[in-house]
Amino acid sequence: DTEVTQTPKHLVMGMTNKKSLKCEQHMGHRAMYWYKQKAKKPPELMFVYSYEKLSINESVPSRFSPECPNSSLLNLHLHALQPEDSALYLCASSQPMGLRGEGSYGYTFGSGTRLTVV
Amino acid sequence: KQEVTQIPAALSVPEGENLVLNCSFTDSAIYNLQWFRQDPGKGLTSLLLIQSSQREQTSGRLNASLDKSSGRSTLYIAASQPGDSATYLCAVRPQNAGGTSYGKLTFGQGTILTVHP
Repeated sequence: DTEVTQTPKHLVMGMTNKKSLKCEQHMGHRAMYWYKQKAKKPPELMFVYSYEKLSINESVPSRFSPECPNSSLLNLHLHALQPEDSALYLCASSQPMGLRGEGSYGYTFGSGTRLTVV
Repeated sequence: KQEVTQIPAALSVPEGENLVLNCSFTDSAIYNLQWFRQDPGKGLTSLLLIQSSQREQTSGRLNASLDKSSGRSTLYIAASQPGDSATYLCAVRPQNAGGTSYGKLTFGQGTILTVHP
């Protein structure tokens, strides 16, 4: 299995709703990522989990709450979002690199969740 | 700070042409460079991964080269087809001072390719 699976593919939510995005991979990757992508822009990193621990939070507002229940799953909990949070949310996975750079791996991305906040 | 630039921003070619997409990066301290394809509203599909020690990688009609010392990579697409129409992104995985293990990709802005019949 060489895929990253994201659900749902599309999500419309109101500004007072609570919803969650899910991501799953079975490649044995121990680093997982959330990216946000606006139209005609490259993806922007939001969070990094390495060995199930949060390694990077790119100053993301607290209305986005990541969770990594185990090495295969990554969730993004959404609450009180704003219309400007509407975007394509991408999950990715990779292997962490060794402390001396050994093991240089590529990323595998999921197909994304198209989120619309109304 | 690592910056990645892709030229051209958009490219329109007739079917059958060979074409080259360019990617340049400012800091040669990278572990690898990855080329992705993105169809509208979809996720990123990895096309080719080049390690910093490699000069090129090939997959089918695609060939990617890497000149780390000059901070350049090219993606060559042979005999282009309408199905190749998409946005092409290059991304570098920079070396991390301090030995952090996760690696943060730096993306270019992408090249929008249109291949017309």
